[in-house]
Amino acid sequence: GESVGLHLPTLSVQEGDNSIINCAYSNSASDYFIWYKQESGKGPQFIIDIRSNMDKRQGQRVTVLLNKTVKHLSLQIAATQPGDSAVYFCAEHGSSNTGKLIFGQGTTLQVKP
Amino acid sequence: GAGVSQSPSNKVTEKGKDVELRCDPISGHTALYWYRQRLGQGLEFLIYFQGNSAPDKSGLPSDRFSAERTGESVSTLTIQRTQQEDSAVYLCASSLVSVSNQPQHFGDGTRLSIL
Repeated sequence: GESVGLHLPTLSVQEGDNSIINCAYSNSASDYFIWYKQESGKGPQFIIDIRSNMDKRQGQRVTVLLNKTVKHLSLQIAATQPGDSAVYFCAEHGSSNTGKLIFGQGTTLQVKP
Repeated sequence: GAGVSQSPSNKVTEKGKDVELRCDPISGHTALYWYRQRLGQGLEFLIYFQGNSAPDKSGLPSDRFSAERTGESVSTLTIQRTQQEDSAVYLCASSLVSVSNQPQHFGDGTRLSIL
């Protein structure tokens, strides 16, 4: 069935280092992907998105890479800060006929000062 | 700000009671979604509304769950005869339209605890 999974449940990095969070997806027909950040007690916050006709997109301190050949998505955070500590989810828009997103289990990012 | 608003933020109720959760989407957003998030897990899709089209109810886990939306505004999610496994955070999101390339924006959820 459709699924979106994350390789590592927890990632611990030193403040100032770069972070890379990985995600695998199984639906090759998915056409849109989103990364969300979720802090404790809050709803998911949109970070960055990418369409399937792109392989890279950059935002402020964040970059998303999409490799459709191996169905892999990654989020890179440059110069990680303590405020980046949160759970990160990738989400997949599996079909243009439905609005639902399919979420992975999440990766916890811990930033050490 | 004019984000997605959900109420109540917390709800504690006894098993067997009915509960109603409310969502106010971002103004102008025609698509509205409900998700459930169990502790330490990702989000599970429940239902979505797009304008006047029939809602996609494919994610509702049982017939105890139902949702309504009035036009393109407020939505309510109702859980009847609550069970302990219904304990979770219920999240609402909205987007401009229900097609690709439109990010969904989430509220902070209702934390539901069934005793």
